Amino acid sequence: KQEVTQIPAALSVPEGENLVLNCSFTDSAIYNLQWFRQDPGKGLTSLLLIQSSQREQTSGRLNASLDKSSGRSTLYIAASQPGDSATYLCAVSKGGSEKLVFGKGTKLTVNP
Amino acid sequence: GAVVSQHPSWVICKSGTSVKIECRSLDFQATTMFWYRQFPKQSLMLMATSNEGSKATYEQGVEKDKFLINHASLTLSTLTVTSAHPEDSSFYICSASDPGRASSYNEQFFGPGTRLTVL
Repeated sequence: KQEVTQIPAALSVPEGENLVLNCSFTDSAIYNLQWFRQDPGKGLTSLLLIQSSQREQTSGRLNASLDKSSGRSTLYIAASQPGDSATYLCAVSKGGSEKLVFGKGTKLTVNP
Repeated sequence: GAVVSQHPSWVICKSGTSVKIECRSLDFQATTMFWYRQFPKQSLMLMATSNEGSKATYEQGVEKDKFLINHASLTLSTLTVTSAHPEDSSFYICSASDPGRASSYNEQFFGPGTRLTVL
């Protein structure tokens, strides 16, 4: 059974700092990995999707990497801003299935 | 593109009543939609996979007679919580992927969620 773990559970940083969020998964037979952002009481916004054959994806100040063999992914946020404050969720899907298994998320607070 | 909506955004109901939640793909056709439940400070847990024109597939431990799912068209799936009880209070979120996108790689797009409170 696939399990997804995110560390840390919460993170508080001053504005402008670069930061890394971690995600690990137990079964390396994944089809893709997605990073999402969730604001309080809201749905999910897709940030980045990495196929199993890729090693990283970039969008603006965000960079996500994937090391499938070791079961790890990181989300790098450059020059953090207060507007980046949210919970970040990592999810993986198994090959051929669209089902997503989510981690519990990392709650990020960027202080002005 | 790839917008998913949910209605209502929040609902309060009395114990024992039924509540219907709609999930729509606004700008694409979704043969498959997913329903998730999220308890406070917990992650999303998949409840069921909704397939257009056929029966939904429920995850282990999810009561299919309590959580009725109907996927009557390629743009609409509904989740009905029957005989709701306070323990059903949760945040319900749906998602869909757009198979028409050449580069989708099964990327899922999520609705804004529905907050259900059962008194």
